[in-house]
Amino acid sequence: GAVVSQHPSRVICKSGTSVKIECRSLDFQATTMFWYRQFPKKSLMLMATSNEGSKATYEQGVEKDKFLINHASLTLSTLTVTSAHPEDSSFYICSATGQPYGYTFGSGTRLTVV
Amino acid sequence: AQSVSQHNHHVILSEAASLELGCNYSYGGTVNLFWYVQYPGQHLQLLLKYFSGDPLVKGIKGFEAEFIKSKFSFNLRKPSVQWSDTAEYFCAVNRVSGNTPLVFGKGTRLSVIA
Repeated sequence: GAVVSQHPSRVICKSGTSVKIECRSLDFQATTMFWYRQFPKKSLMLMATSNEGSKATYEQGVEKDKFLINHASLTLSTLTVTSAHPEDSSFYICSATGQPYGYTFGSGTRLTVV
Repeated sequence: AQSVSQHNHHVILSEAASLELGCNYSYGGTVNLFWYVQYPGQHLQLLLKYFSGDPLVKGIKGFEAEFIKSKFSFNLRKPSVQWSDTAEYFCAVNRVSGNTPLVFGKGTRLSVIA
């Protein structure tokens, strides 16, 4: 079946630094990728939708200058949290979709900003 | 905008008990419906999905769900739960229109005790 690889699984960074999270579709071409954020004991909140080769569409309330999303190829999307602060600490999950597969989720990245 | 309601925040059952988790969505158009499971420390896994056809959908691990269009519901059921079913369960919906993002409910934590 479809596999989406997300790295790193855990990252700790200092406040003010930037962190890049990668999401790769291993055996299919992901025409669309989604980035979600999951708070403790809460649901997954959609942050943005990215289609290969075009700018991401951000959900209301998500700062596009803070959460930079790049989807330069059909198998790779990256989320960069710029100038991270402790309130950005969260669990970030990517999801990819492309023929012939449906939505496939990465294993998530636990970001801790200290 | 679509929204998904999961009525039970935390359900505690004994092994062999029957399970039903409620899910209601609000959207007037045609939707796809999903149930995902997230075991502790693991990523989201698809349990089952409904796109069209028979409203009673069977998924993996003995789970099933019934789509009742008139009630905007897609409840998840399992006749006899096991300790290994302890996990977080998420209902999700998306519009039937291209690669639209999934909108998730807040999740229901299931704890199965011996």
